[in-house]
Amino acid sequence: QVQLQESGPGLVKPSETLSLICTVSGVSISSDYWSWIRQPPGKGLEWIGYIYYSENTNYNPSLQSRVTISKDTSKNQFSLSLRSVTAADTAVYFCARQIVEGVPLDWGQGTLVAVSS
Amino acid sequence: EIVLTQSPATLSLSPGERATLSCRASQSVRSYLAWYQQKPGQAPRLLIYDATHRATGFPARFSGSGSGTDFTLTISSLEPEDFAVYYCQQRDTWPYTFGQGTKLEIK
Repeated sequence: QVQLQESGPGLVKPSETLSLICTVSGVSISSDYWSWIRQPPGKGLEWIGYIYYSENTNYNPSLQSRVTISKDTSKNQFSLSLRSVTAADTAVYFCARQIVEGVPLDWGQGTLVAVSS
Repeated sequence: EIVLTQSPATLSLSPGERATLSCRASQSVRSYLAWYQQKPGQAPRLLIYDATHRATGFPARFSGSGSGTDFTLTISSLEPEDFAVYYCQQRDTWPYTFGQGTKLEIK
């Protein structure tokens, strides 16, 4: 059974860096596609980006200048770094697994990150 | 980026009724359109992928149709557990995008 679990601070100050980790169990992250998707409170979903194969990445152009997604195969984890955050980055952040590129099948439960001083 | 417009924003129906949800793309996404079901406090759950293929765990009352720019999710006879928010999502062109959602509520 594949499980994903997000972890990281629930509160980040404006202009600082949001850092989250997704710990995966039940499957190796050496294959498939691994995504970060976010959802502002009461709003819709936005795809942040994903990592696949060794270190290939795709980032949403709207966030590309501020985002880095990486993975640690030895720990079976992948991570999100979002720099220079503002209140607009307040959201529930989900990590997700895609077997087929572009189709998130398995999701973490999500973690709420608030940006506030 | 491709914009997906879902209609209606809210759909009020009773158990046993038929639900028809629409998703329109700003340009062709071929058949690369998925639907997700999201309940409060939960992650979205893949329901339909590539327009017509039902994901594991969902019953046959759920079906998807369409191609190009116009897509439909149909729930043939609503059960109480079907009331949720439904999102469409395209994977034809990066960045992959979601619609704004349709809230299916009990009338």
